[in-house]
Amino acid sequence: KNEVEQSPQNLTAQEGEFITINCSYSVGISALHWLQQHPGGGIVSLFMLSSGKKKHGRLIATINIQEKHSSLHITASHPRDSAVYICAILRSGNQFYFGTGTSLTVIP
Amino acid sequence: DGGITQSPKYLFRKEGQNVTLSCEQNLNHDAMYWYRQDPGQGLRLIYYSQIVNDFQKGDIAEGYSVSREKKESFPLTVTSAQKNPTAFYLCASSTWGGSYGYTFGSGTRLTVV
Repeated sequence: KNEVEQSPQNLTAQEGEFITINCSYSVGISALHWLQQHPGGGIVSLFMLSSGKKKHGRLIATINIQEKHSSLHITASHPRDSAVYICAILRSGNQFYFGTGTSLTVIP
Repeated sequence: DGGITQSPKYLFRKEGQNVTLSCEQNLNHDAMYWYRQDPGQGLRLIYYSQIVNDFQKGDIAEGYSVSREKKESFPLTVTSAQKNPTAFYLCASSTWGGSYGYTFGSGTRLTVV
């Protein structure tokens, strides 16, 4: 069983819709990252969270440490948001454990 | 601009041949990592290095080898012993002791025919 579970696996939305991607994990962590992977393959770190909530532009990330759950929200979605979004947890040392990703397609 | 450079972006090799993937960073990061990504699976750690001339096996190190002779460089060799080498390979780097500045490269897609 993967230590990091993401849902949904695939998501299609109309432009302008509010999008939520969920991440649950089963072990203690020191931090959680949300990553974005574009079709070319390169990965960009969107957020690093250890508690609470962070906002950057139309992206919002929240984490509930007690419930071992994090969400990534995209407001007013746009076709350029189409990508794979990956949740990654950081345990001891500097080793990450990754979810399998959520593939998002935003249709104009 | 600082960052990680992986080359080449696409690589084709015949079965049985060793192949080396390049990863260079100019971020002055101590730690570097190699991950493998397969369809439907999360990224999995192959090897990581905390400092020059030191590296540790990750979860799926069999069939791979690395070296860390310079702080900036962490090449990965996919050997003929790796049973399923066709995959997408990502290099990353960070400061050690925290996850700040964790940076990924753009990846190399290796196809073995």
